[in-house]
Amino acid sequence: GQQLNQSPQSMFIQEGEDVSMNCTSSSIFNTWLWYKQDPGEGPVLLIALYKAGELTSNGRLTAQFGITRKDSFLNISASIPSDVGIYFCAGTGNQFYFGTGTSLTVIP
Amino acid sequence: GAVVSQHPSWVICKSGTSVKIECRSLDFQATTMFWYRQFPKQSLMLMATSNEGSKATYEQGVEKDKFLINHASLTLSTLTVTSAHPEDSSFYICSARVADYNEQFFGPGTRLTVL
Repeated sequence: GQQLNQSPQSMFIQEGEDVSMNCTSSSIFNTWLWYKQDPGEGPVLLIALYKAGELTSNGRLTAQFGITRKDSFLNISASIPSDVGIYFCAGTGNQFYFGTGTSLTVIP
Repeated sequence: GAVVSQHPSWVICKSGTSVKIECRSLDFQATTMFWYRQFPKQSLMLMATSNEGSKATYEQGVEKDKFLINHASLTLSTLTVTSAHPEDSSFYICSARVADYNEQFFGPGTRLTVL
């Protein structure tokens, strides 16, 4: 099935730095979701976005639903070591599509 | 809320045997459950979608006779890997969705190793 393109594919950052990643699609979606997956675990829902232009925060995480409905971004402020993991976006319309993932490494 | 469990969390089996993985929604009723497979350093690959009380819909390239899915109740779906072979070794993850909501909630995954 279709997969959403995420960029960057991987990031190596210093603790305390801000992180930004995005997700793009050729199709429009009704909902954008951001998940985090730790090694050996299932993805955990971080943020859900329901409306074009919506900006939602969850602690140090902020995500936005693009106004074209074809993209979304996730920002993490003041990164900490436990932010390490793979971040996936997902878009839903009639079906549910997963992103290719962004692997984040935080260097203490 | 929205907790999904999987059992077992890991399993090792001999080639040719069958393995059953359970997926349960603990605090909500899931009208739809999904089964994914994930290879190392890759995204999740949807295998099939199951609705309670009806046959699962398999993605192209997924053998329905190999990966048997049963969704007998609103809180339980099972995936049986029949006659498992080493190439079936993977991380299997289920997810569940409530009717009229778009979010999927994922289980913790099951690591299958076939010797």
